[in-house]
Amino acid sequence: EDQVTQSPEALRLQEGESSSLNCSYTVSGLRGLFWYRQDPGKGPEFLFTLYSAGEEKEKERLKATLTKKESFLHITAPKPEDSATYLCAGASGYSTLTFGKGTMLLVSP
Amino acid sequence: KAGVTQTPRYLIKTRGQQVTLSCSPISGHRSVSWYQQTPGQGLQFLFEYFSETQRNKGNFPGRFSGRQFSNSRSEMNVSTLELGDSALYLCASSLDTVSGANVLTFGAGSRLTVL
Repeated sequence: EDQVTQSPEALRLQEGESSSLNCSYTVSGLRGLFWYRQDPGKGPEFLFTLYSAGEEKEKERLKATLTKKESFLHITAPKPEDSATYLCAGASGYSTLTFGKGTMLLVSP
Repeated sequence: KAGVTQTPRYLIKTRGQQVTLSCSPISGHRSVSWYQQTPGQGLQFLFEYFSETQRNKGNFPGRFSGRQFSNSRSEMNVSTLELGDSALYLCASSLDTVSGANVLTFGAGSRLTVL
């Protein structure tokens, strides 16, 4: 059975305090590893797709990396507007994603 | 460019009733998938449709069904509602890829409360 586990469940940071979110996955025939951001009352918003171990992608203060068993979302010098729930998901089919339960990030000014 | 539109946004039903949720994908997107989000289980895959055909189905009972129309719009139906069906139902659309995995664009969801 495909499984995606995210840690920590919740993370509180001060503005400017860098940290990393972890995503461990067991997804058969992985087609891609996704990171999404979800704000309260909204649907998930796409951030990154990673396809192979060693791949890295960056967007503003976020950087996602992938190994054969884990993915990390590094947040550098976060701002309050980065507060959200970050979701990791493994794709076993074209549109079939197995999601982790997310990490709720709160960045205080 | 309009995003994924889901209606209704909020609805309240009682146990035993049925409900139909609607999803209009981004123009040009032919793949539509549905997910259920609850605090306990997180986001879980329900089913995916492409060109009016169900291409994949998650591990949900037969009370959950869906369909896709020729204009790619999709509906999902839940019959004989149970309290545990209370959730946010998310629809996502994507351009279908020949290989790899599709980038899903999600709607804001339909919040269903079953009393």
